[in-house]
Amino acid sequence: AQKVTQAQTEISVVEKEDVTLDCVYETRDTTYYLFWYKQPPSGELVFLIRRNSFDEQNEISGRYSWNFQKSTSSFNFTITASQVVDSAVYFCALSEAWEGSQGNLIFGKGTKLSVKP
Amino acid sequence: GAGVSQSPSNKVTEKGKDVELRCDPISGHTALYWYRQRLGQGLEFLIYFQGNSAPDKSGLPSDRFSAERTGESVSTLTIQRTQQEDSAVYLCASSIRVNSILAKNIQYFGAGTRLSVL
Repeated sequence: AQKVTQAQTEISVVEKEDVTLDCVYETRDTTYYLFWYKQPPSGELVFLIRRNSFDEQNEISGRYSWNFQKSTSSFNFTITASQVVDSAVYFCALSEAWEGSQGNLIFGKGTKLSVKP
Repeated sequence: GAGVSQSPSNKVTEKGKDVELRCDPISGHTALYWYRQRLGQGLEFLIYFQGNSAPDKSGLPSDRFSAERTGESVSTLTIQRTQQEDSAVYLCASSIRVNSILAKNIQYFGAGTRLSVL
């Protein structure tokens, strides 16, 4: 069965601190996708990144970076120099990627990040 | 429209009443998904449409839940005889599906419908 675990329920940091959100996943598939979404207080999920299981290269986008390690089944997300606007709930998710799959996302329970000024 | 639109944004109903939740996906997105988010929880998958067809309805929590999609566009999620445990935010997402191993499957979400059953 597929499963995503986000062990950190809530994290509180002070602005400009770096913070890492952990994500561990379980799947028997050899081909799959991993995602991070941001859910600000408005409620709408905002897509941040998608990685496929073939590509373990780390990725950086501005203050955001992602570390994908198949050996530990982890896909961690780091925010550098956090800002108050980063305050949100962050979800890690997994989906199948084989032809014909439904592609529904399996979500972790989310990590609530609070960045204080 | 530019994004996924859901209506109503909030719905308060009495136990036992039926409710309909609407989703307008991004134009041209062939795949549509419904999820449920209970307070403090992650998102739970309910149902998927490819075009107007839902190949697997096993994610629906009970037979009180049904969904349809018409014109490869608008989808309606109906909950009959609502119960208090149905209180949640119902989120809709759409994506462009490409039938290959490296299908993109990036899902874009609406703001959700917050359902409160009294």
